[in-house]
Amino acid sequence: DGGITQSPKYLFRKEGQNVTLSCEQNLNHDAMYWYRQDPGQGLRLIYYSQIVNDFQKGDIAEGYSVSREKKESFPLTVTSAQKNPTAFYLCASSRLAYNEQFFGPGTRLTVL
Amino acid sequence: AQKVTQAQTEISVVEKEDVTLDCVYETRDTTYYLFWYKQPPSGELVFLIRRNSFDEQNEISGRYSWNFQKSTSSFNFTITASQVVDSAVYFCALSGMDSSYKLIFGSGTRLLVRP
Repeated sequence: DGGITQSPKYLFRKEGQNVTLSCEQNLNHDAMYWYRQDPGQGLRLIYYSQIVNDFQKGDIAEGYSVSREKKESFPLTVTSAQKNPTAFYLCASSRLAYNEQFFGPGTRLTVL
Repeated sequence: AQKVTQAQTEISVVEKEDVTLDCVYETRDTTYYLFWYKQPPSGELVFLIRRNSFDEQNEISGRYSWNFQKSTSSFNFTITASQVVDSAVYFCALSGMDSSYKLIFGSGTRLLVRP
C-alpha cells in the first residue's frame, strides 16, 4: 500500500530534551512537508523540502530542524529551543510543489 | 499576501440536511490552486479536491459539490444529504506563486452531523 507513515503516534518529552519525529513515504513524491496544528487552529508550515538534500524554512521554523538525506524520509527534530512544542505534527508529501499534498496520520507531542 | 478565511467556526446539522461550508480567499496571483481537506477525529487530513484558477466549472462528486467563483473569491463546499460520518473539521487551502506554492490553510470549519 502506498502512503505516508509517521511514528510514533504519541510522544512525551521532558523539558530540555530533543525529540525526533519520523516521516516516511513510498509514493515516490519529490516534495515533503512538516506542519504543526494547535487545538482549534489550522495548519502552520514548519519546513518543506522539494528535493533530496535541500529544504526550506516555513513560517514557524524556530526551534525545529530537519534533514532530507533520502527521497522517502523527512525526519523532524523538535529541539529544546522550541518553547511551546506541545502540538499535533503532520507530515505531508506531493509530486510537485503545487500539487495536492497527502498527509500522514500525525504525531501528538506532549511536553511534561 | 495570501489568505484563506473560513468564517464558520462550527456548524451543527441534523442528518440528511444539506450544508455549505464557506471559503473566501485573497491572492494577487493570476494562477493559483484551491483545495479542500477533511480532518476526521483520527486527525489525518484527507484530500478532497484541487481546482486551478482557470477552471471555474462547478464540480460534483457523489454527495459533495464545489462552487468556485472568482468574482467573489470564494470556493464553497456543499454536502448534500449529510451523514454522521461527515462529521469532521474541513479545511480550505490556497497555493500560488505568491506563497512559493506552499499551502495556506484556513482555520477550518468543524461540522457536526447529529443523527
